[in-house]
Amino acid sequence: AQKITQTQPGMFVQEKEAVTLDCTYDTSDQSYGLFWYKQPSSGEMIFLIYQGSYDEQNATEGRYSLNFQKARKSANLVISASQLGDSAMYFCAMREGRTGNQFYFGTGTSLTVIP
Amino acid sequence: DAGVIQSPRHEVTEMGQEVTLRCKPISGHNSLFWYRQTMMRGLELLIYFNNNVPIDDSGMPEDRFSAKMPNASFSTLKIQPSEPRDSAVYFCASSLKGRGLAVRWNTGELFFGEGSRLTVL
Repeated sequence: AQKITQTQPGMFVQEKEAVTLDCTYDTSDQSYGLFWYKQPSSGEMIFLIYQGSYDEQNATEGRYSLNFQKARKSANLVISASQLGDSAMYFCAMREGRTGNQFYFGTGTSLTVIP
Repeated sequence: DAGVIQSPRHEVTEMGQEVTLRCKPISGHNSLFWYRQTMMRGLELLIYFNNNVPIDDSGMPEDRFSAKMPNASFSTLKIQPSEPRDSAVYFCASSLKGRGLAVRWNTGELFFGEGSRLTVL
């Protein structure tokens, strides 16, 4: 089974609108971390936001928020007030507590912001 | 603070040649990862080290690939002999390993280098 599933290969959003990128994960660990990374066309991988499995509140970082639904094992990224510079690939990732080290990445979602 | 430093940024070589990619992790980080990214296969974990020790190399495609981490500040990924299908972007990443189950860890996010784009002709 896939550890991280991103079901949206591509998404479009109008500038200034909000967009949700989906991510579901699979783990039997109680302790784990969830991450989102952004990869613009220039190629670098940029860390955006983190959610720990013990965190009761959804993580927020500026225009990014993580909609964490533990029972459903989903960790969707919400980008508010989209900007043209948000056009990029977005990867969801998980780090399990059992090993404490192995990172699992999803296949990514390509987001295009339309002016 | 310097981030993860990779070299070379770009490498073009001919099939059969040896390729060595280098990585300097962030000082103080105790885990190092090598990833390969292609359009077809996405982001693949090749190998990762914890405290300079290889923990999982199951992602290494075949014996042509080898990785070493002789000390906490340096790692290499070697391909010998290289083949056209090895063309990809190779990322090195480092992090601070979490404490485990009972204790809430630091975020432990991966810090990526800028990648080494390899083209094998």
